[in-house]
Amino acid sequence: EAGVTQSPTHLIKTRGQQATLRCSPISGHTSVYWYQQALGLGLQFLLWYDEGEERNRGNFPPRFSGRQFPNYSSELNVNALELEDSALYLCASSLGRATDTQYFGPGTRLTVL
Amino acid sequence: QKEVEQNSGPLSVPEGAIASLNCTYSDRVSQSFFWYRQYSGKSPELIMSIYSNGDKEDGRFTAQLNKASQYVSLLIRDSQPSDSATYLCAVYNFNKFYFGSGTKLNVKP
Repeated sequence: EAGVTQSPTHLIKTRGQQATLRCSPISGHTSVYWYQQALGLGLQFLLWYDEGEERNRGNFPPRFSGRQFPNYSSELNVNALELEDSALYLCASSLGRATDTQYFGPGTRLTVL
Repeated sequence: QKEVEQNSGPLSVPEGAIASLNCTYSDRVSQSFFWYRQYSGKSPELIMSIYSNGDKEDGRFTAQLNKASQYVSLLIRDSQPSDSATYLCAVYNFNKFYFGSGTKLNVKP
């Protein structure tokens, strides 16, 4: 069974540009979570989508947004990129309940120059 | 104050010893608690989850939860060099997940 996949693996942008990151969940999973892992800061919860709806978002500015498609894949968009947005962005998927195991993808390394 | 606090370590233990990892959380109404392991350059993977006070055992791993003290711990018995990784504590609270910054564990052969 295929795990969570993310694309691209690496993304290099300049300040002010927009970045789009993609995530495909494990087959059968309806929930997708997005996290930011910046150096020394640990995992920061960004967004939770379930069944196409945004369940909640973390303490990030509105320029971080996303969506979930009917096939449960998801997209994270970061507008007006800032240098401090440079981080590893991890996507996870689960069956939908908060207590269900989250399975993480390999991440997208975003570098903002 | 951070929602979840962990000692960054590194925590060094000899092979075969018990490793004790600790985590405190700030919100008393937190509902669910998780321990993840993250090898260097890899993504986190769930080790254990715990929801009620007391101990929960799974093989060499025991999670302990004390809601009154807002404290959750992970014990690893018979530590192996392959257990060397960063251990992340996570707390679920009102549709959000909060992670600690992780404790780096080194198990020396």
